[in-house]
Amino acid sequence: GAGVSQSPSNKVTEKGKDVELRCDPISGHTALYWYRQRLGQGLEFLIYFQGNSAPDKSGLPSDRFSAERTGESVSTLTIQRTQQEDSAVYLCASSLDRGLNSPLHFGNGTRLTVT
Amino acid sequence: SQQGEEDPQALSIQEGENATMNCSYKTSINNLQWYRQNSGRGLVHLILIRSNEREKHSGRLRVTLDTSKKSSSLLITASRAADTASYFCATVRGSARQLTFGSGTQLTVLP
Repeated sequence: GAGVSQSPSNKVTEKGKDVELRCDPISGHTALYWYRQRLGQGLEFLIYFQGNSAPDKSGLPSDRFSAERTGESVSTLTIQRTQQEDSAVYLCASSLDRGLNSPLHFGNGTRLTVT
Repeated sequence: SQQGEEDPQALSIQEGENATMNCSYKTSINNLQWYRQNSGRGLVHLILIRSNEREKHSGRLRVTLDTSKKSSSLLITASRAADTASYFCATVRGSARQLTFGSGTQLTVLP
């Protein structure tokens, strides 16, 4: 079946603008994650959704960042008043989340460039 | 700070040679996972090893886990140019509901 789909694949925005990134997880995957990856670095956890439970927002770097998920489907990550340090690849992943003993399936990411 | 740290940061080998990458972590874990990332793409899951396992194989991949040393290694045998990628270890800690990734090892396999 289809994998994790992210859109747009690339986004260039001006400093101060808001951006919205979208993630379509694999059907049936109850867990959904957002990570940020700066150039040449590892993945930085942002937020985690699991079914109807309250999301784990502990990784969001500031109140400019927010995310929503509709049931067990689409998620959107919103960055308000973008700054140049927000430039990175934003990766979404989903999993069956059987006690985190199931692997994460990643999308190809959205490359965000803030000018 | 990163929970998992890969070593070395970069590795360059000839095709046909074996590649070994190491991962160290700081706190107790439930499991440890290895992922590969080709340039400009998302991560692909390679192998998961649980905290009560010591060694696991998948094709040309061999992963070991030493919980006493809080370390894991990924061995790729008979490497190919197509194995060129970044390799990340990721750990699940205790009751944490997230995977924490290291900074990765950039592997280059020269034809």
